[in-house]
Amino acid sequence: GGIITQTPKFLIGQEGQKLTLKCQQNFNHDTMYWYRQDSGKGLRLIYYSITENDLQKGDLSEGYDASREKKSSFSLTVTSAQKNEMAVFLCASRRDSQNTLYFGAGTRLSVL
Amino acid sequence: GDSVTQTEGLVTLTEGLPVMLNCTYQTAYSTFLFWYVQHLNEAPKLLLKSSTDNKRTEHQGFHATLHKSSSSFHLQKSSAQLSDSALYYCALSDWTGGYKVVFGSGTRLLVSP
Repeated sequence: GGIITQTPKFLIGQEGQKLTLKCQQNFNHDTMYWYRQDSGKGLRLIYYSITENDLQKGDLSEGYDASREKKSSFSLTVTSAQKNEMAVFLCASRRDSQNTLYFGAGTRLSVL
Repeated sequence: GDSVTQTEGLVTLTEGLPVMLNCTYQTAYSTFLFWYVQHLNEAPKLLLKSSTDNKRTEHQGFHATLHKSSSSFHLQKSSAQLSDSALYYCALSDWTGGYKVVFGSGTRLLVSP
């Protein structure tokens, strides 16, 4: 088995701050994803990456940057945190043979 | 672009009653449909999936049938259990140079005694 590790679990930032969320997977999966989870809005795709150094924008990419420097890691940067923003960011990787996403436990963001 | 619609934000049921959660989708491509389930304080995980038109797929007592003619993939169970209380997401994926996976807004199922 494998695991997806997201750090940090909780992130508190200030308005206008640049914040970085990290994700590591040891499944050796090619494709990785970042989703934002908001109550009532479901999981919205921010970025995905099909291989090292590849980046594909999702529907919610504005205000975010991403980086995939290694196959095992995928980081997400909030370029300017919005006041009173609260959300959970979920990282996932895809097992191609089963067409299945495996999710991490999430990073909960609060902006003061 | 691709989209998934889940019309019910919250479904409340009494234990033992049947479950039906709605999912419709829009895509220009041949596609896979999925249901993911997220229990409280846990990560979402796959419940079931299908790409075959009009074929019933089952897992853990739940079932769904992909109907391409109506672009639907509704989730059903004959008898709800307390442990079924969770957030359910319908999702689709297709090949657009990479496997983009798009989720619906989710349906929270609350089962009471």
